[in-house]
Amino acid sequence: AQSVSQHNHHVILSEAASLELGCNYSYGGTVNLFWYVQYPGQHLQLLLKYFSGDPLVKGIKGFEAEFIKSKFSFNLRKPSVQWSDTAEYFCAVILYNQGGKLIFGQGTELSVKP
Amino acid sequence: GAVVSQHPSRVICKSGTSVKIECRSLDFQATTMFWYRQFPKQSLMLMATSNEGSKATYEQGVEKDKFLINHASLTLSTLTVTSAHPEDSSFYICSAPPTGQETQYFGPGTRLLVL
Repeated sequence: AQSVSQHNHHVILSEAASLELGCNYSYGGTVNLFWYVQYPGQHLQLLLKYFSGDPLVKGIKGFEAEFIKSKFSFNLRKPSVQWSDTAEYFCAVILYNQGGKLIFGQGTELSVKP
Repeated sequence: GAVVSQHPSRVICKSGTSVKIECRSLDFQATTMFWYRQFPKQSLMLMATSNEGSKATYEQGVEKDKFLINHASLTLSTLTVTSAHPEDSSFYICSAPPTGQETQYFGPGTRLLVL
């Protein structure tokens, strides 16, 4: 069955620390992957997406993610986090053979201490 | 960018009543919209796919007679929670990809509290 797994449930960092959030997927078809962010009290916003081409994808606010097909992974990274990055982060894969629906990971709560 | 709105943003209702939640794409058309449910500190669970001009597709375990979906136009989908009970209290979120695109844009969500 298709699934997305995020290993870290809650990550606590100090400002300026580097961030890496893990995401692994299980899906046999064409893989298009997304990272969404949900700031406290706000709706989900797209951080970045991978469809094809360069496996290193750059998104908004200094985030990037690397698609490693051999590892079925799409980890999210940021060299130096800020307090304003405190949010919930969701990895998702789109299922084209099921009408384009998204399957989400469990989410990772990131808390950045000032 | 593409904007999706939801109305109402929060609703409190008595057990046994029905509640309608609207999802609108404000600046694009969407032949497909998706409805999710999110419990506190948990991920989004897809409930159903709303298709303009045809019946919605429900995920396994979601009661179609309880969660009525109507995709009235290319910019509007509604979710009606019928005979709501306290266990239906949750955060309901819709999303829509512009027709022909894959990226989904999310609404701000509707918090439902059933007393």
